[in-house]
Parts: sequence; C-alpha cells; structure tokens
Amino acid sequence: QSALTQPASVSGSPGQSITISCTGTSSDVGGYNYVSWYQQYPGKAPKFLIYDVSNRASGVSDRFSGSKSGDTASLTISGLQAEDEGDYYCLSYTTASTPAYVFGTGTKVTVL
Amino acid sequence: EVQLVESGGGLDQPGGSLRLSCVASGFTFSSYWMTWLRQAPGKGLEWVANVRQDGVQKYYADSVKGRLTISRDNAKNSIYLQINSLRAEDTAVYYCARTWPTGGLDYWGQGTLVTVSS
Repeated sequence: QSALTQPASVSGSPGQSITISCTGTSSDVGGYNYVSWYQQYPGKAPKFLIYDVSNRASGVSDRFSGSKSGDTASLTISGLQAEDEGDYYCLSYTTASTPAYVFGTGTKVTVL
Repeated sequence: EVQLVESGGGLDQPGGSLRLSCVASGFTFSSYWMTWLRQAPGKGLEWVANVRQDGVQKYYADSVKGRLTISRDNAKNSIYLQINSLRAEDTAVYYCARTWPTGGLDYWGQGTLVTVSS
C-alpha cells in the first residue's frame, strides 16, 4: 500500500483560496468514495475535516470543501485564515493488496 | 464527551515487545470500529490497523502485518496494539481513533510515544 501523493507544500495569502490534491489509483481514491481529510497542528492529534469525499464533519467551517475527479481527491480552503496554517492529510480506503486504508504524504499549508 | 486515552508507550530495546492500550469513554464503544495509527518523528501519518465492533474482523497495513496485532475488549471499552520484534522504525507516536464504517476517523486520542533504541 503506497502512500497517496500530495504536494509537500501549498501557500496562500489571507482571504485567498487554495487547493490540496491527493492522487492515488483506481484501487483507492479512484475506486471508492471513502476519502477523508485531516488537519494537524504541530504536536497535536489530527482533526477530522471531511468524510466520504465531500461531506464536512460536524463543526467544521464551510470554508473547507472536498471533491474528487478520477484518481485525484481535492481539499479546498476558501477565505484562507492564519489559523488554517498546519499540515493536511488525506486518507482513502484501498484494495491494492488486502483491504486497508492509506494516508497521503501530507501537505504543509502556509499562510503568507 | 468522547475521550480516547492511550497508554503503554516508553523506551524499549530492539527485539522486545510492547502492548499499547486505548481506553474509550463518552460513547457506545461496542458500536464502532476502532483504528490504530502512528506518526514517526517529523514524518506523516501512517494507518496501522483497525478492528470491527465484535473484534473478529481486523485489517492491517502491509508494513506491519505479522508483527503487530490489534485486539479489543468491549467489556473494558478498550483496544490494544501488541508490537513484537520491536524495530527502530517502530519509533513513533501511536494514536487510537474512533472509526466510521467508511473509514473516517472522527475522534483521536492524544497519542503515546514509543521509542525503540538500545
């Protein structure tokens, strides 16, 4: 189970929109709508943001949205704020070998 | 309030064994899948294993299969991770998480640090 591919870093100015991609294969992202997204601050446990590709978890700002096209899932953060700076990870169900789950490589978001 | 509290981490030597625990509260534990994850220092998240509500069905990452074992005790609202033949690459913060049927991890513990070194 190889990690899904995310850009190492993405940056934007306050108020802008940014998009983080998560690329897999037809055995994971492309084959199932079981993609979720997490935000992590240094030294803290991750926070649940998005489930089943595009559904926001309870209490998550509507500035966060998810989508998928083919083998690539995406997380978009609109109206970027300083508090959005952190690491972001995607997670997908995979059947590449035995059924399991696999994370993306992670993306560091910087607010300029 | 949902709470997950991991324990059992520490400094261990290569080749040894370790059992991590995660105690849950604030929800009906026996109704949820549960997952173990880990994060090596300065690295990304790694999905390790999950276990079904009844403790029978378990899935593992290829990288840990045969050496790590997940289990649960619904009477104690707990899951466990047995790590055998410890390696330096097992050094990580280990998290447990409540799990949705489609894999979403909605609540996480604070993590427990395992350090493997001689």
